[in-house]
Amino acid sequence: EDKVVQSPLSLVVHEGDTVTLNCSYEVTNFRSLLWYKQEKKAPTFLFMLTSSGIEKKSGRLSSILDKKELFSILNITATQTGDSAVYLCAVNTGNQFYFGTGTSLTVIP
Amino acid sequence: DSGVTQTPKHLITATGQRVTLRCSPRSGDLSVYWYQQSLDQGLQFLIQYYNGEERAKGNILERFSAQQFPDLHSELNLSSLELGDSALYFCASSVDRTGSNYGYTFGSGTRLTVV
Repeated sequence: EDKVVQSPLSLVVHEGDTVTLNCSYEVTNFRSLLWYKQEKKAPTFLFMLTSSGIEKKSGRLSSILDKKELFSILNITATQTGDSAVYLCAVNTGNQFYFGTGTSLTVIP
Repeated sequence: DSGVTQTPKHLITATGQRVTLRCSPRSGDLSVYWYQQSLDQGLQFLIQYYNGEERAKGNILERFSAQQFPDLHSELNLSSLELGDSALYFCASSVDRTGSNYGYTFGSGTRLTVV
């Protein structure tokens, strides 16, 4: 059964801290892995990863994929209160996307 | 505004009833996906349409059905509603058949509460 598991389920940090979110997967036909940020509305796209070892970066956010060990990490440095959200990881198998249950991040001032 | 429009935003209905959720994809997108998000289960894929035809099916109950119309908007019909159907229903769209190239764009969701 295809599945995507995210950890931790939730974390609370102070502004300025660095966090690492994890996403591991077991799927039969991996095409890509995507990270989304979900605040109180629709998930918004952050990154798409298809190749191992190539870091994608956008401001304070970065992500990398390890296709051998079947996981990805999302790093957020110098966190801000605006980073508070649920971060979703999804794996595309060509037929559909499998989502993890998300990591809830709360950044305290 | 993501360009994916979902209506209504909120819906409260009684058990046993039937509701229709509507989604207009982003301009130029041919694929529409429906997801159910409940508190304890995360985002669950329901069904996908591509250019008017059903392309993939996930964990969609028999009480639920969907279709995509010639103008590419889609409707998700939920019938014989149960309390457990209360959830946030998201629609997403992509320009291609699988979303592999550019990912999805999500709408802001319809919150369904069954009482």
